Amino acid sequence: GENVEQHPSTLSVQEGDSAVIKCTYSDSASNYFPWYKQELGKGPQLIIDIRSNVGEKKDQRIAVTLNKTAKHFSLHITETQPEDSAVYFCAASIPGNQFYFGTGTSLTVIP
Amino acid sequence: EAQVTQNPRYLITVTGKKLTVTCSQNMNHEYMSWYRQDPGLGLRQIYYSMNVEVTDKGDVPEGYKVSRKEKRNFPLILESPSPNQTSLYFCASSFGPYAQETQYFGPGTRLLVL
Repeated sequence: GENVEQHPSTLSVQEGDSAVIKCTYSDSASNYFPWYKQELGKGPQLIIDIRSNVGEKKDQRIAVTLNKTAKHFSLHITETQPEDSAVYFCAASIPGNQFYFGTGTSLTVIP
Repeated sequence: EAQVTQNPRYLITVTGKKLTVTCSQNMNHEYMSWYRQDPGLGLRQIYYSMNVEVTDKGDVPEGYKVSRKEKRNFPLILESPSPNQTSLYFCASSFGPYAQETQYFGPGTRLLVL
């Protein structure tokens, strides 16, 4: 089955700096790659997603890039704010099949 | 309000005592799924369902059962819980049947098996 690896496991940045989280996947059939944010005591919430026919997607301060050849995708957060502090998960999905999550990155934004 | 609800939110039980965690969504979603979250392991899929009466195993199905008799409900059953099933459980749902859209997660159920 699919194997999704996520790095780093923890990340601290100064407020206003950028944060980058990277994931790799193993199954070339995966074609949907979402990113979820989990705040303390809550369920994960989708922040951005990308499909395999797109190389990059942006939504205000958040962007995701996908390199299908290398099988990796990354989350970029610019101008970080304290409210960006949370655990972030990447995931990969094959149509009609399972959902595979990375192990998570705990992001701390230092004011 | 569109949401996924889970009950109970917290549960302490003993080894071998059957339990059910309920999950319900009010968004008419086709796809529903159960995950467990453990430190350092992220979220792992237990079972998923693409529609009523259609269920499939995820990555870690051992020791769990599910059923999908109605579109809105997807209960998770632990017939004989063991301590290694102590975890944080999340139910999720999405509109289409193919897991290719936003999944909406419930608030989680924290289970402790003694």
